[in-house]
Parts: sequence; C-alpha cells; structure tokens
Amino acid sequence: AQKITQTQPGMFVQEKEAVTLDCTYDTSDPSYGLFWYKQPSSGEMIFLIYQGSYDQQNATEGRYSLNFQKARKSANLVISASQLGDSAMYFCAMREASNTGGFKTIFGAGTRLFVKA
Amino acid sequence: GAGVSQSPSNKVTEKGKDVELRCDPISGHTALYWYRQSLGQGLEFLIYFQGNSAPDKSGLPSDRFSAERTGGSVSTLTIQRTQQEDSAVYLCASSNRLAGRGDTQYFGPGTRLTVL
Repeated sequence: AQKITQTQPGMFVQEKEAVTLDCTYDTSDPSYGLFWYKQPSSGEMIFLIYQGSYDQQNATEGRYSLNFQKARKSANLVISASQLGDSAMYFCAMREASNTGGFKTIFGAGTRLFVKA
Repeated sequence: GAGVSQSPSNKVTEKGKDVELRCDPISGHTALYWYRQSLGQGLEFLIYFQGNSAPDKSGLPSDRFSAERTGGSVSTLTIQRTQQEDSAVYLCASSNRLAGRGDTQYFGPGTRLTVL
C-alpha cells in the first residue's frame, strides 16, 4: 500500500494565482512528521515546510502553507501568489518510526508544477 | 555554513564494476540518509544512520549495496558489480534531530551514476 500519495502528476497555474498540491498519507505511528520539498530542474532538493502530527496549527513559511487535516490524513501544500520560479517538482514526505528502532522518511511520487506567465 | 556535499557529481562506469559514492554531511548533523532517484521518479529510501546506533538498512535493494559512516561524519555508499538498473541519481541528506524541527533533511546535490 502507498504510504504517501500525490495524485496530481502535473499541475498548471497562472502566475500570481494560488495553487494547492495534494498529499495524503497512511501511517499507524501516532507521532509523525510531514514535509514538502521542492526540486527544480537543477536537481537539488529544497526543504519548504514541516508539520508535526501534534501541531495544532497549520504550518506556514512565507508563501507556503500546509493544510493539515489529520482526520483525513491529508497534508496539502498551498502556494500563494505563484511565481515563475515556482515551476518545479514538489515532493510530499512523511517521517515515521522505523521497525528497526529509528526513523525513516518516505517520499511521494511528486507533482510537477508549471507556472504560466 | 557549508551544506551537504557529495562526490563525484557524475560517475560513468561499466557493468560489473564497483563504485563508491561519498557524502559529507553538514557539520554536527547526527543523522545521515541515502536515497536513490531514478529518472522522473520520486525518492527511494536506501539507508539511514543515526549517531552511533545500528543503521537502518531496510531500503537497500540487494546485497550488492552497502554503506558505512566513519566517525559519525562522512559516509560512503558502495555498489558492487553494478548493473544498468543501478543508473540513477544518488542523493545524500543529513539532519539534526536536536534542532526541534522534526527530521528536516538537508540534501546534497547528488551523484549521477550511469552504468553502461
């Protein structure tokens, strides 16, 4: 079963508009973390935002916010006022306890965002 | 400060040869991860080191893959008898779980491995 599901392989958004990238997750660990990363065409992975499973409020980092709906197990990324430089691949990831006593991070398949001028 | 560095940036090898990929984490980071990203795909977890604990090797795809971390810092990922399906970008990440931001991982630029 997929642990992290990103159902949108590709998305288009007009410059200056907001866009929501979907992410649902599956875990039995009561303590987990959710992350979004951006990967531009240059290939580096850039951390965007983090949400802890016990955090009461949705995380925000500048133009990025995470719409955390715990009961639905969703952690959608909202990018406000899209810019051309936002065109990239976006990965949702979850950290949960590993069965070997540590932690592991699982990534979704990603959503490619195209921002149109 | 300096980020995560990886070397080489590109490696082309022949099928059947062994390769070593190196990762230098951010100084002071206790956790180190290796991932593999095939063309157009997401990240596949390979192995995780946390301090002096035994590594989590659950993501290694076969016994041809191994990794070590010396002195709690530099890590080397070794692939023996490389196969063409090993061609991918190998990403290393480090994190400082003491920082109070969860397991936020900071990634290196990756090593692009091509097996001919």
